[in-house]
Amino acid sequence: DTGVSQDPRHKITKRGQNVTFRCDPISEHNRLYWYRQTLGQGPEFLTYFQNEAQLEKSRLLSDRFSAERPKGSFSTLEIQRTEQGDSAMYLCASSLMSQPGSGNTIYFGEGSWLTVV
Amino acid sequence: AQTVTQSQPEMSVQEAETVTLSCTYDTSESNYYLFWYKQPPSRQMILVIRQEAYKQQNATENRFSVNFQKAAKSFSLKISDSQLGDTAMYFCAFMKGQAAGNKLTFGGGTRVLVKP
Repeated sequence: DTGVSQDPRHKITKRGQNVTFRCDPISEHNRLYWYRQTLGQGPEFLTYFQNEAQLEKSRLLSDRFSAERPKGSFSTLEIQRTEQGDSAMYLCASSLMSQPGSGNTIYFGEGSWLTVV
Repeated sequence: AQTVTQSQPEMSVQEAETVTLSCTYDTSESNYYLFWYKQPPSRQMILVIRQEAYKQQNATENRFSVNFQKAAKSFSLKISDSQLGDTAMYFCAFMKGQAAGNKLTFGGGTRVLVKP
């Protein structure tokens, strides 16, 4: 098992362009999460999926942001019409949601760093 | 909504010594989990230790231990015998619900620098 992988690791884009990040969770993990982290801050929750269903979206996820997990495996996070304020690390994480109280661990990827110029 | 507060932006410690990181949280939930995550300069977040709120016994993982004070809503992390590889950002995080797998709410982090 290679862990949670994210691609690309770094992306520099011009303001107004669209960008897409991909996340491959740990095999058989049914929950997948997206977080955003700016320098010197803790990660902020954006959204999460159980299998292909998007269960919750933060109000931080504006209309320019869309996340999908079409087959319940990998996920994509697209940002349309990027703004300088979108510059951040986008972290993906996954977990195996099974029995209540089982205390399943959330595993994080290395993140995709976005710089909007 | 839950909030997590880490009041120490930065801590430094000599190698082999002990350092304690503070974390307080605010919630009206009765069932929840608390976590400490480590984020080294490579930036991958790694779970250090986890505490179930219904357990009174403090969690321990090798050199890492917590002091969980449920009534005070406090969850501190002690790193014993600090090693150079412990240098990282440390985040305290809260997860509501009896079934783990819900979203995490993070504190702002504490930067730990272990000096040789």
